[in-house]
Amino acid sequence: EPEVTQTPSHQVTQMGQEVILRCVPISNHLYFYWYRQILGQKVEFLVSFYNNEISEKSEIFDDQFSVERPDGSNFTLKIRSTKLEDSAMYFCASLRGEVNTGELFFGEGSRLTVL
Amino acid sequence: AQSVTQPDIHITVSEGASLELRCNYSYGATPYLFWYVQSPGQGLQLLLKYFSGDTLVQGIKGFEAEFKRSQSSFNLRKPSVHWSDAAEYFCAVGLNYGGSQGNLIFGKGTKLSVKP
Repeated sequence: EPEVTQTPSHQVTQMGQEVILRCVPISNHLYFYWYRQILGQKVEFLVSFYNNEISEKSEIFDDQFSVERPDGSNFTLKIRSTKLEDSAMYFCASLRGEVNTGELFFGEGSRLTVL
Repeated sequence: AQSVTQPDIHITVSEGASLELRCNYSYGATPYLFWYVQSPGQGLQLLLKYFSGDTLVQGIKGFEAEFKRSQSSFNLRKPSVHWSDAAEYFCAVGLNYGGSQGNLIFGKGTKLSVKP
């Protein structure tokens, strides 16, 4: 069964460093998403991406964050200068794009720890 | 603002007992409603969804949920819980406009423990 894959599964970084989280969505899907889950808190929407551009972003997704789909298969989330509060599990998700029937498929997540 | 409330943070049930996990939402229009399950160290797996039509929806693993518009609720049920159902369960509301159908608002989750 096709699945969304994410790498790395766990990354530890120093505050102020740049981090790139990678995702390979399901191949025939058209919409891509990043969510995050701070430990013990709810899963929160960060950004949606369609047709090579951001279609929606939350207030969490500030100038420190960026996304791109560099090669038609990978979908990346970059955090330019990490802060302690960026420590969280980051989930990538994709959606095939059928109106009113779509199901989000989530990856297993990338845990980011900022020291 | 849209919100999802799962009033129970942690529930423990005996194996074989019935289960109901509560979910209430606040949203002006008819929402898309979802239940996801997250096992330890795993991603989120869709259990079931409601978009329209029959208000009682069946999902995977023997789960079902009922949409009650008058109560703004979408409670998840299972008649007989198995030990493998121990996980965290998230209710979510999808905002139903355009390409943002994947913008989900999640509840805080209910952790389910199953005792033998």
